[in-house]
Amino acid sequence: QKEVEQNSGPLSVPEGAIASLNCTYSDRGSQSFFWYRQYSGKSPELIMSIYSNGDKEDGRFTAQLNKASQYVSLLIRDSQPSDSATYLCAVRGGSNFGNEKLTFGTGTRLTIIP
Amino acid sequence: GAVVSQHPSRVICKSGTSVKIECRSLDFQATTMFWYRQFPKQSLMLMATSNEGSKATYEQGVEKDKFLINHASLTLSTLTVTSAHPEDSSFYICSASEGPLYNEQFFGPGTRLTVL
Repeated sequence: QKEVEQNSGPLSVPEGAIASLNCTYSDRGSQSFFWYRQYSGKSPELIMSIYSNGDKEDGRFTAQLNKASQYVSLLIRDSQPSDSATYLCAVRGGSNFGNEKLTFGTGTRLTIIP
Repeated sequence: GAVVSQHPSRVICKSGTSVKIECRSLDFQATTMFWYRQFPKQSLMLMATSNEGSKATYEQGVEKDKFLINHASLTLSTLTVTSAHPEDSSFYICSASEGPLYNEQFFGPGTRLTVL
């Protein structure tokens, strides 16, 4: 079982709709959770971090964390063509506690259809 | 805030030469920096973790004598690819963190290395 799993996609969403990206992780002791966006040929860009159960909203983005289910998600409201990118879920802590390295999922490729 | 720079952004070199890539945190002190490599259409692969003033910790399978990492200050880490070969051609990306568990990790823009 992979440590961090994401559906590789591609996920196609009409412009203006809600895009929902999901991620599960295997290490129950994980403490910190991040969503990065990576455009083709560019480096990852941090868009959300979440540390406690529940929802965290930032503009059109909402991160959701459920530690009991070992599940973290990212919702993008009012999707725009500029949101088309690969979204990487990253997890830190747990067995890596004290070690700051991130464990990344393989990413979900999102395409927003105009 | 939280800006990380890398230099150069692109480098082309001949096989057998060494290439140095710099990673700088511009507006914060990075106690820890990370070096990743990414091949086309593949995931990020962590190569090593470096802490200021100490030796880097390399991931399994990464040759520490080939990929030399120096974290000389709280704002600068360097990766030197020694005796580069075409198979080392890749996108090298650094990231930096201020330290404790809950701090985010910010990525530099990356360096595209092509070895002829």
